[in-house]
Amino acid sequence: QQQVKQSPQSLIVQKGGISIINCAYENTAFDYFPWYQQFPGKGPALLIAIRPDVSEKKEGRFTISFNKSAKQFSLHIMDSQPGDSATYFCAASIISGGYQKVTFGTGTKLQVIP
Amino acid sequence: DTAVSQTPKYLVTQMGNDKSIKCEQNLGHDTMYWYKQDSKKFLKIMFSYNNKELIINETVPNRFSPKSPDKAHLNLHINSLELGDSAVYFCASSGRDPGQIYEQYFGPGTRLTVT
Repeated sequence: QQQVKQSPQSLIVQKGGISIINCAYENTAFDYFPWYQQFPGKGPALLIAIRPDVSEKKEGRFTISFNKSAKQFSLHIMDSQPGDSATYFCAASIISGGYQKVTFGTGTKLQVIP
Repeated sequence: DTAVSQTPKYLVTQMGNDKSIKCEQNLGHDTMYWYKQDSKKFLKIMFSYNNKELIINETVPNRFSPKSPDKAHLNLHINSLELGDSAVYFCASSGRDPGQIYEQYFGPGTRLTVT
């Protein structure tokens, strides 16, 4: 079963608008929640991440909101730009013994139109 | 210098063949991973090695066999290729230090097409 559910599957936002991607997880053993950004033909790259003891993390235009009791988290991209057009993956991972086992969401293809 | 490199970038082969994909990282990381990304972009972990020791082995057909000759290299060998193996395969690595564990660095991917 899909342990990390992500929505929407695709998103079109006007330049300058706010892009919002939502994720939900089931396994309470997850202890780290990264977001990865993937451009066409490239590998995913870490964008921003949060630990479950924090409710919000902001880095520039990117903010993660985390609701531990609801087992939900979301990515907000403020002032979205055409260069943000990419596929975004939320993820949940378990960190143990020096390595990280990551379970990815299904991805959201974001298109920011001028 | 490329941090995580994979060869080849594209691989087209026929059903039943055996093929290998190579991965090298020059980041000094201890842990390396193989992921499969299917046509719907779903990304799923297959294997992970930590210092040449297999630590993650997801439900993957035993036609897939990873090999780690040293901690900088993790190769993926696939026997008797099937149509359903067509996907993009990503190699990734992460460090062991507290600050390094949290980020996985991905390679550029190998697009495998089985005809």
